Amino acid sequence: QKEVEQNSGPLSVPEGAIASLNCTYSDRGSQSFFWYRQYSGKSPELIMSIYSNGDKEDGRFTAQLNKASQYVSLLIRDSQPSDSATYLCAAFMTTDSWGKLQFGAGTQVVVTP
Amino acid sequence: DARVTQTPRHKVTEMGQEVTMRCQPILGHNTVFWYRQTMMQGLELLAYFRNRAPLDDSGMPKDRFSAEMPDATLATLKIQPSEPRDSAVYFCASGSGRGPGYEKLFFGSGTQLSVL
Repeated sequence: QKEVEQNSGPLSVPEGAIASLNCTYSDRGSQSFFWYRQYSGKSPELIMSIYSNGDKEDGRFTAQLNKASQYVSLLIRDSQPSDSATYLCAAFMTTDSWGKLQFGAGTQVVVTP
Repeated sequence: DARVTQTPRHKVTEMGQEVTMRCQPILGHNTVFWYRQTMMQGLELLAYFRNRAPLDDSGMPKDRFSAEMPDATLATLKIQPSEPRDSAVYFCASGSGRGPGYEKLFFGSGTQLSVL
């Protein structure tokens, strides 16, 4: 079992609609979570971080965290064609020495005009 | 504009050859991570450093891979000998190391490695 799980997609979303992405993680010791966006052929780019249970909003993006359920989600409101990319969920897992950021396989989002 | 710089961008080599990839982290960042990305496995953590000290390299095939950070401005990932299964995109990422759990990573453009 991978430590961070995501549906691979593709998730097809009409322009202007809400895209909803889900992620689960296995390590209860994980304390912080991140969403990265990766365009085809490019490097991952950080778009959201969340550390506490609840919602965190930044522009059209909302991250949600539920540590009891070990569940993280990302909502993209008013989806645009430029949002078409792969979205990577990442969990920071502490270790004896420091910690490491583990990524899910990513969910491909396709926004259709 | 602060960014992580990786060289080379592309590398084509033959099986058995040595490959060295270089990374210049963002100035002031004290953690450096090496990841490998393939279609099948996604992003795999290979090794990471904090304040130039290696903290974890359990994700690396030890017999052929090595990672070093000779100074604060340079991290290297070496493969010797290279094999076709090493073909992937190798990313370096650096972070400010504010504290465990608060590591926001910034990625370089990656090295696309093809081993024939």
